[in-house]
Amino acid sequence: SQQGEEDPQALSIQEGENATMNCSYKTSINNLQWYRQNSGRGLVHLILIRSNEREKHSGRLRVTLDTSKKSSSLLITASRAADTASYFCATTDTGNQFYFGTGTSLTVIP
Amino acid sequence: KAGVTQTPRYLIKTRGQQVTLSCSPISGHRSVSWYQQTPGQGLQFLFEYFSETQRNKGNFPGRFSGRQFSNSRSEMNVSTLELGDSALYLCASRLGFQETQYFGPGTRLLVL
Repeated sequence: SQQGEEDPQALSIQEGENATMNCSYKTSINNLQWYRQNSGRGLVHLILIRSNEREKHSGRLRVTLDTSKKSSSLLITASRAADTASYFCATTDTGNQFYFGTGTSLTVIP
Repeated sequence: KAGVTQTPRYLIKTRGQQVTLSCSPISGHRSVSWYQQTPGQGLQFLFEYFSETQRNKGNFPGRFSGRQFSNSRSEMNVSTLELGDSALYLCASRLGFQETQYFGPGTRLLVL
C-alpha cells in the first residue's frame, strides 16, 4: 500500500542542473527515506531523515522534512546522466509500517 | 557483508501454476519484507516477517503467502497464477523496524 505521493511524476532536466522532487505523506512518521531505482532493478537506499530532523545532506543530495506539512523534498545538485532513475520516498510510521510513495521518474539529458 | 539475494532472477510460468520465490537477507537482519511492483500499481507491500512470524500483511489475496525460516531466509509463494501477477517481486531486509530497508535485485515473473 502507498501513503505517499510524489510530485512531479516525471521530471526532465539538462545535465548540470538541479533536480527537486517532493513527497507528501498522510500519517505521523518515525522517519522518511529516499530510494533510487534504475530501470527494472532493485531499489538503492539514498538517505534517511528522522522525524526530529529538518535537513540532511549526503554528497550531492539534500533532503528536507517538514512534519507539520507532512512533506519532504529531495534535491539533487549538479545532476549527471547517471542520475537518471526513478526516485521513491518511503515512510516508517509510528507502528513501524513501511510505505512507499508513487515515485518520480527523473531523466537527465547529457 | 553480502547484500540481499533473490532467486531466481527471472521466471516464466503459465496461468494456474504456482511459484516459489526465495530471498536471503543481509546477515544479521531478522526482518524480511516482500513487495510487488507493476507499472500500473507501483510498489505494493505484500508482507513482512520478523523472527519467523508474519508481522504485517498488505492487501493481497490469500493466493500470496510467505514464510521465514530460522536463518531469516524467506520464501514467497503464489498459487494459481493469474496474468496480473506478472511483476517484479522485490525482497528487502532490515536490522530493526526503524532502520533502512535494503533491497535485493528482484525476481521478474512473467505469467503467460
